[in-house]
Amino acid sequence: KQEVTQIPAALSVPEGENLVLNCSFTDSAIYNLQWFRQDPGKGLTSLLLIQSSQREQTSGRLNASLDKSSGRSTLYIAASQPGDSATYLCAVNQAGTALIFGKGTTLSVSS
Amino acid sequence: SQTIHQWPATLVQPVGSPLSLECTVEGTSNPNLYWYRQAAGRGLQLLFYSVGIGQISSEVPQNLSASRPQDRQFILSSKKLLLSDSGFYLCAWSHRQANTEAFFGQGTRLTVV
Repeated sequence: KQEVTQIPAALSVPEGENLVLNCSFTDSAIYNLQWFRQDPGKGLTSLLLIQSSQREQTSGRLNASLDKSSGRSTLYIAASQPGDSATYLCAVNQAGTALIFGKGTTLSVSS
Repeated sequence: SQTIHQWPATLVQPVGSPLSLECTVEGTSNPNLYWYRQAAGRGLQLLFYSVGIGQISSEVPQNLSASRPQDRQFILSSKKLLLSDSGFYLCAWSHRQANTEAFFGQGTRLTVV
């Protein structure tokens, strides 16, 4: 059974820092991996989608990497801003089921 | 462009009362549809997913049921709510192809009292 783990559970950084969020999964037979952002009390906003054949995807200050063989993905946020404060969730997509999520990393960026 | 609508945004219901949450998708056809629940400190739990009208897969045995009466409509129901049904319910959709992106609605905060 697929399990997705995100470390750390919470992270506090000062504005301007570069940071890395980690995601690991136990079964490497995935179609893709997706990173989401969730603001308090809101739905999920898709940030990046990495197909299983890809190594990384970039969108603005965000860069996500995927190492399928080792079951790991990272989300790199450059030059963090207070507006980046949110919970970040990773999820894997595999055959026969819907997205399976980690519990998320709650990020707080102070000004 | 595609959009997903979910309502109501918040709901307070007494124990034992029925429930109906609705989700609709616009701008696409034959989507896969999903219901997730997010409880405090427990992450997102997949409840139901559907690949077509009348086709529902249940991931977790529980007090809830789902129906898909139309291609782009997904309904989450309960006949009698329990306190443990409280949580944040999220509807999502993706294209029928297996390797596509998923998009979520804004969620419904359900409090059972």
